[in-house]
Amino acid sequence: GEQVEQLPSILRVQEGSSASINCSYEDSASNYFPWYKQEPGENPKLIIDIRSNMERKQIQELIVLLDKKAKRFSLHITDTQPGDSAMYFCAASTGNYKYVFGAGTRLKVIA
Amino acid sequence: AQTIHQWPVAEIKAVGSPLSLGCTIKGKSSPNLYWYWQATGGTLQQLFYSITVGQVESVVQLNLSASRPKDDQFILSTEKLLLSHSGFYLCAWSLRTGGYEQYFGPGTRLTVL
Repeated sequence: GEQVEQLPSILRVQEGSSASINCSYEDSASNYFPWYKQEPGENPKLIIDIRSNMERKQIQELIVLLDKKAKRFSLHITDTQPGDSAMYFCAASTGNYKYVFGAGTRLKVIA
Repeated sequence: AQTIHQWPVAEIKAVGSPLSLGCTIKGKSSPNLYWYWQATGGTLQQLFYSITVGQVESVVQLNLSASRPKDDQFILSTEKLLLSHSGFYLCAWSLRTGGYEQYFGPGTRLTVL
């Protein structure tokens, strides 16, 4: 079945700089790639997603890139703030009601 | 607006005891429903999904079962808890048609002793 690798597992950045998280998947049939932000003790919140008919999507300071040939997608957070500190998960789905999540990235924004 | 409610909020149970966790979604007609498990500090593992009442598909075997007795209700259960069942259980929903986006409920924290 599908497997999703997510790196890095821990990311520390200075406030105001950019943070990048990378994910790769195995199943070329995957066509939906969401990103979730999870604060300690809370449920994951969908922050941005991209479908396979797109290569780039931006919502405010969040940018997602998708490279279908390389089977990679990435999240870029520009101008990071302390409130961006959290756990981030990528996921992939082939649209068959099954979703596979990456291991997660703990982002720490240092003031 | 849709609301998703999970019960109980937290549970402490003994090994070998039964378990029943519930999830209700209001404000959406015939949603797709999902159960996930998350170990402390770990990733999200999909357990089950359901696209209609009475129909549940298993994604991974963890000695758990699920049922969908009503359109807006999803139940996760087991007759005998294991220590490895401890963790955070999350219910999620997506739209019936074109529904790729998943939205998670508040979760139930389960501790098995």
